[in-house]
Amino acid sequence: EVQLVESGGGLVQPGGSLRLSCAASGFTFKNYDMSWVRQAPGKGLEWVSYISRGASIKYHADSVKGRFTIYRDDAKNSLYLQMNSLRAEDTAIYYCVREREATADYWGQGTLVTVSS
Amino acid sequence: DIQMTQSPSTLSASVGDRVTITCRASQSISRWLAWYQQKPGKAPNLLIYGASTLESGVPSRFSGSGSGTEFTLTISSLQPDDFATYYCQQYNSYSRTFGQGTKVEIK
Repeated sequence: EVQLVESGGGLVQPGGSLRLSCAASGFTFKNYDMSWVRQAPGKGLEWVSYISRGASIKYHADSVKGRFTIYRDDAKNSLYLQMNSLRAEDTAIYYCVREREATADYWGQGTLVTVSS
Repeated sequence: DIQMTQSPSTLSASVGDRVTITCRASQSISRWLAWYQQKPGKAPNLLIYGASTLESGVPSRFSGSGSGTEFTLTISSLQPDDFATYYCQQYNSYSRTFGQGTKVEIK
């Protein structure tokens, strides 16, 4: 059974940093592209960051470019999102997603990030 | 970046109704479009990819069509379990984009 379990969310002050983790199991992690998608409270979905299998390609939404970095550790079957210079508008549930043919076929349960003083 | 516009934003319907949701892309995305269903407090669930291919396990009352810039999601006979929010997503480039969502409510 495919499982994606996010962790690392919490309350952080504006300008602070946070690292999200996603532990993957039930599939061969290194063979899949992965992404992070977020959803602000009561709002729609926003794709945040993408990383290809092998980590040769990384892409970030304009809203987070230069502040967020996606990376992966295939030996640990884990995906990460390093978030720096956090802003109030980054407050959201962050989902780890597995990609198959560029669609998100499996989603984690999400981890809540709150940016507030 | 490619923008995705869904309509309507909210849709009121009854059980048994045929429901259609439209998604328009700001430029051609061929058939690189997916549809997701999300229920309150839950992660989204993939329904359709490649504009019209039903994901495994998704009921056949769901169907998708379109290409280029205009796409539709149709629910042939709305069931109680289908009241949810639906999102389209383009993946024509590394930068994926979601539509703003369509909430299907009970009439």
